[in-house]
Amino acid sequence: GAVVSQHPSWVICKSGTSVKIECRSLDFQATTMFWYRQFPKQSLMLMATSNEGSKATYEQGVEKDKFLINHASLTLSTLTVTSAHPEDSSFYICSARARGNSGNTIYFGEGSWLTVV
Amino acid sequence: AQSVTQLGSHVSVSEGALVLLRCNYSSSVPPYLFWYVQYPNQGLQLLLKYTTGATLVKGINGFEAEFKKSETSFHLTKPSAHMSDAAEYFCAVSIATNDYKLSFGAGTTVTVRA
Repeated sequence: GAVVSQHPSWVICKSGTSVKIECRSLDFQATTMFWYRQFPKQSLMLMATSNEGSKATYEQGVEKDKFLINHASLTLSTLTVTSAHPEDSSFYICSARARGNSGNTIYFGEGSWLTVV
Repeated sequence: AQSVTQLGSHVSVSEGALVLLRCNYSSSVPPYLFWYVQYPNQGLQLLLKYTTGATLVKGINGFEAEFKKSETSFHLTKPSAHMSDAAEYFCAVSIATNDYKLSFGAGTTVTVRA
């Protein structure tokens, strides 16, 4: 089946620095990728929708200048947390919809744990 | 807009007993419905999905769910629980008119007693 890979799986960074998380579709082209955030013991909250070659669409309440999303190719989207602070510590998960797919099949990455110290 | 409500944040079952996880949805147009499972510190794995057609959907690991439009429900069941079923389960809904964005329920934690 289709595989979505996230890297890194775990990252620790110092407060005030920036960290980049990659989301790759390994065996298909993803026209749309979604970024979610999940706090411990909570559900997934959609942060933004990323379409290849265009600006990401952010959900209400998500700071686009803090969470920079780039979808430069059909197989790669990146999320950069800028000037990270401890409250940004969370589990970040991406998902991807395949090119030509009817839209109702979305593949999830394994997630990336971010800890800001 | 669309949303789902999962009834019961925690379900505890005995090994071999029926697993029933409840999910109700709200949608202004025909929905696509999903159940995902998440093991600790991992991403989401799709158990099953309903798009169109047969309302009883069979998924992996012996799970199945039935789409009931009249009740706006999509409950997940498994006849006989296994220890490996202990995990977090999320119901989700998407609609074509909202770019197929998934809206997730709050999740249900399943524990299995030996």
